[in-house]
Amino acid sequence: NAGVTQTPKFQVLKTGQSMTLQCAQDMNHEYMSWYRQDPGMGLRLIHYSVGAGITDQGEVPNGYNVSRSTTEDFPLRLLSAAPSQTSVYFCASSLGLLHDIQYFGAGTRLSVL
Amino acid sequence: LAKTTQPISMDSYEGQEVNITCSHNNIATNDYITWYQQFPSQGPRFIIQGYKTKVTNEVASLFIPADRKSSTLSLPRVSLSDTAVYYCLVDNQAGTALIFGKGTTLSVSS
Repeated sequence: NAGVTQTPKFQVLKTGQSMTLQCAQDMNHEYMSWYRQDPGMGLRLIHYSVGAGITDQGEVPNGYNVSRSTTEDFPLRLLSAAPSQTSVYFCASSLGLLHDIQYFGAGTRLSVL
Repeated sequence: LAKTTQPISMDSYEGQEVNITCSHNNIATNDYITWYQQFPSQGPRFIIQGYKTKVTNEVASLFIPADRKSSTLSLPRVSLSDTAVYYCLVDNQAGTALIFGKGTTLSVSS
C-alpha cells in the first residue's frame, strides 16, 4: 500500500495563478482532510470530507476549494493564489470517526510569489 | 471542541525519560486523547491514543488521571531521533473537525 500520496512535492506559483494539489489514498478511508502548516503555527485545518460527495470547512477555508467525487481522491484547489498561501500543505486520511488514526502524506511545499 | 494546552518546547538529553503534559480542561465524556509526532519536512504520525488510565505501546506511554482534564505522554530513554514536535489532540466520537495546536517541540541533545 502506498498510503496517502500527495503531488506535487514542491510548487512555485505567481500571484493570481490557480492550481490543484492532489491527494490520493489507497486504504479505503472515508475521512480525508487538508491542513496547512506555517512556521510556528502548528497544523491548521482547511477543509475535510467524511465521505464521497461530502465536504466541510475547517479553520482556514478562505481561498481554497475542495471536492470529493471518489473515496480515494481529495484535491485542494487554489483558484487565485496569494502570497499568504505560501505554506506546507498536508493531506490526511482515516478510516472513519475522528479518533481513528490519521495517516498523513509527505506534504506539498508551495511558494506564491 | 475541547481546547488543549501543552508546553511550547522542552529540552532533554539522551537516555532520559521525557514527560509532556497536555491540559484539556473541557474534555467531554466521549472524547479520546491522541498524540502525534512530527519530524521536520514530514507529515505527523500517530504515536498513542487513550481514553482513561494508562496506555502503553512500543513507543510511549500515556497517563490519564481519573478526571481526564490532563494527560501525560511519557517517552522512555529518549534518543536524538526523538527530536520532533509532539501534538496532543482531543476529539470526540461524533465526528467533528480534528484540530491540531502548535504542539511541543522536543529537543534531545547528546
